[in-house]
Amino acid sequence: AQTVTQSQPEMSVQEAETVTLSCTYDTSESDYYLFWYKQPPSRQMILVIRQEAYKQQNATENRFSVNFQKAAKSFSLKISDSQLGDAAMYFCAYRPAGTASKLTFGTGTRLQVTL
Amino acid sequence: NAGVTQTPKFRVLKTGQSMTLLCAQDMNHEYMYWYRQDPGMGLRLIHYSVGEGTTAKGEVPDGYNVSRLKKQNFLLGLESAAPSQTSVYFCASSYIGGRGKEAFFGQGTRLTVV
Repeated sequence: AQTVTQSQPEMSVQEAETVTLSCTYDTSESDYYLFWYKQPPSRQMILVIRQEAYKQQNATENRFSVNFQKAAKSFSLKISDSQLGDAAMYFCAYRPAGTASKLTFGTGTRLQVTL
Repeated sequence: NAGVTQTPKFRVLKTGQSMTLLCAQDMNHEYMYWYRQDPGMGLRLIHYSVGEGTTAKGEVPDGYNVSRLKKQNFLLGLESAAPSQTSVYFCASSYIGGRGKEAFFGQGTRLTVV
């Protein structure tokens, strides 16, 4: 069974600094998708960034980038120039590429942003 | 553009009561999911569906039933609510193909069973 592990329950970063959130996953599949979702206090789940396993290039979305290490099954999220609005729960998620595929989440990392 | 809509947003049930949560999506997505979110446990998959008329069990299916009679709707039922089912429930949907592999979420339902 696929599992997703986020080993950092809480992280803190100062405004304008950079922080990296860790995620590892376990799978026997070769083709899959990885995601980072943000959940602010409003409870809404917001997609931050997506990585397709067959692409070697790391995904980037403005201040958010990932370090995707397929062999190590690692998928970390880097937030640059952190802003107060980045404070939220962040969830890593995995989904195999085939049909009938399930989306599996990690337990989340709560990010605090301080002045 | 509504996206994924969950009904209701909040509900309080007494132990033993039944209820149905409704999820509706207007994006013509094939996949639909029901998750529950509990502190420190992330989102755990209850049931999911890969198309109209199909359902499958997820990680924590006990005590829940689902139906997908129409492609746009996915219903989650609690036949006899228990305090352990107090949680925030999320519905999500996604495409089966193309680049759009991410799931889109509803705003959640906070359910309290007393």
